[in-house]
Amino acid sequence: DTEVTQTPKHLVMGMTNKKSLKCEQHMGHRAMYWYKQKAKKPPELMFVYSYEKLSINESVPSRFSPECPNSSLLNLHLHALQPEDSALYLCASSQIDRRNQPQHFGDGTRLSIL
Amino acid sequence: AQSVTQLGSHVSVSEGALVLLRCNYSSSVPPYLFWYVQYPNQGLQLLLKYTSAATLVKGINGFEAEFKKSETSFHLTKPSAHMSDAAEYFCAVSGGRGGGYQKVTFGTGTKLQVIP
Repeated sequence: DTEVTQTPKHLVMGMTNKKSLKCEQHMGHRAMYWYKQKAKKPPELMFVYSYEKLSINESVPSRFSPECPNSSLLNLHLHALQPEDSALYLCASSQIDRRNQPQHFGDGTRLSIL
Repeated sequence: AQSVTQLGSHVSVSEGALVLLRCNYSSSVPPYLFWYVQYPNQGLQLLLKYTSAATLVKGINGFEAEFKKSETSFHLTKPSAHMSDAAEYFCAVSGGRGGGYQKVTFGTGTKLQVIP
């Protein structure tokens, strides 16, 4: 069982749709991350939240909009996506200021853009 | 700055044979290193981590890795491969912590195939 829960597991959407990905953790971690992973590639960092504040945006297009409503939840709002946005989206969390501690990953949301 | 290099994008071993997955790192600060495994359609699961307490690190599922500073390596091994070990393996290094978060750099991954 993973300690980071992501919903939905699969999502198919058209290019004009609006949808949201959700991530939840109850490990008390105050850093949360969104990654994008294409097939046969490592995860690519998209966003980092630290103490519920956006710390890093890795030049992600504005059609991706992150939100951290509280210390346990992380959302990724999607709008007007492109076919090249089809990928596995992974959420992760970690302790703050503990470089020697690993990130904990969810199982991801498999996103397909029609 | 930090980076990791995984040698071999694909490794094939026979069931029962030794598994050796290679990882070399580069880091401007003492490194914290991790190995993750990813099964199809799943997230990344931590196998083991090096945090300077011991150079030989034991992880889950019978895997272990040895940190060799002189060789800047952190290779992953398992004495006897099992069919269930077939997966993608990522080596990762943890970088600076500006802002409290953790900046992790992943290697390009090694796909392990186990042949019956």
